[in-house]
This record gives sequence, C-alpha cells and structure tokens, in this order.
Amino acid sequence: GENVEQHPSTLSVQEGDSAVIKCTYSDSASNYFPWYKQELGKGPQLIIDIRSNVGEKKDQRIAVTLNKTAKHFSLHITETQPEDSAVYFCAASASFQKLVFGTGTRLLVSP
Amino acid sequence: GAVVSQHPSWVICKSGTSVKIECRSLDFQATTMFWYRQFPKQSLMLMATSNEGSKATYEQGVEKDKFLINHASLTLSTLTVTSAHPEDSSFYICSARDLNTGNTEAFFGQGTRLTVV
Repeated sequence: GENVEQHPSTLSVQEGDSAVIKCTYSDSASNYFPWYKQELGKGPQLIIDIRSNVGEKKDQRIAVTLNKTAKHFSLHITETQPEDSAVYFCAASASFQKLVFGTGTRLLVSP
Repeated sequence: GAVVSQHPSWVICKSGTSVKIECRSLDFQATTMFWYRQFPKQSLMLMATSNEGSKATYEQGVEKDKFLINHASLTLSTLTVTSAHPEDSSFYICSARDLNTGNTEAFFGQGTRLTVV
C-alpha cells in the first residue's frame, strides 16, 4: 500500500520568511496530493491540492510542486505570518481511493 | 467549500459504555465517508471507509465489532465505539467525498475528542 513520508517534523521560522515542507510517496498509482492545515483541537482544512497532471500550483502565498518521477511533492509558504502556525499534513491517494497522510509538520512562525 | 458537521465535538464516557459520533454532510451528498483516529501529536490514521448503503471496509487492525460504522443515508454516517476503554480515548475525525461529481477533494469534520474514564 501507499506510504507517505514527511519532513521536517518541526519547523521554526521568523515572520516573513519562507517555509518548505517535503513529502515523498511510494505508490506510483497515486495521482492526487492535498495539503492540510490542522489547528489545535480541530479537523484538517484543505489549503491546496495538486493532481498528477500538473507540476506546480500556486494560491497567493502558498504553492505546491510535484515531481512524479522522484515521487515527491512540496509545500511552499512565502511571507509567513504568525497565523500560519499550525500542523501541516500532506497526503496522497489514487483516484477515488483513501487518503494516506504524512506524519505532519509542526510549523511555528515567530513574530 | 462543502461543510461536514461532526457531533459531538467532545464527549466523556465511563469505561464499558458505548458512544456514538455523528458525521453529516450539510450541503452535498457524501457517497463515501471516512473515519480517522488521531492520537496526540500523531497523524491521522484511517479506521474505515464506508459507502452509502453498504458495509464499511475496515483497515487492518481495526476491530469492526468494536467500532461500528453505519452509513445509512447520503448525508449521515455514524461511528459507535462499543464497550469503550481508556485506550480508546482519542480524537476521531470523519471526512466525506461526493464521488458522483468526480471531485477528489475530501471535506473534514471538526473532530470529536473522546475521553474514556
């Protein structure tokens, strides 16, 4: 089955810096790669996703890149703000199948 | 985006009792619902997948007789933790997808924190 690894487990940055979180997946059949932000005591919220027919997607300060050959994808957050502090999860799935989550990255943005 | 409502948001129960958690899709038809469990500072682990009107598919290691899942309608799925024990204390999260639209996005509920004492 699918296995998703995520790094780093914790990431501390200064406000205004960029943050990058990386994930690798094992199943070449996976074709959908969402990223979720989870705040304490809440369910995950989708922040951006990418499908395998696209190499990069951007939404304001957030971008995701996908390298199908290497089976890895990354989340890029620019101009970080304290409210970006949360736990971020990557996930992977083949069409209409279950999502397999990465281990999570705790991002701390210091003012 | 679509809304998934989970109830209750937290519950405390005595050891040996059963607890039911509801997951509702408020503005779309959830052909498939997923139930996850999340322990503190850990990732979401899929427990089971349920399709409306059929039996749930449980992940390896998840006891189907302990975690009863019902998906009787396109807008409601329930998870019942039977004979709960302290080790069942966790954060339970549901998500829903409407596969009929071809949309791959999964919408998550706000989670239910279960504490068994």
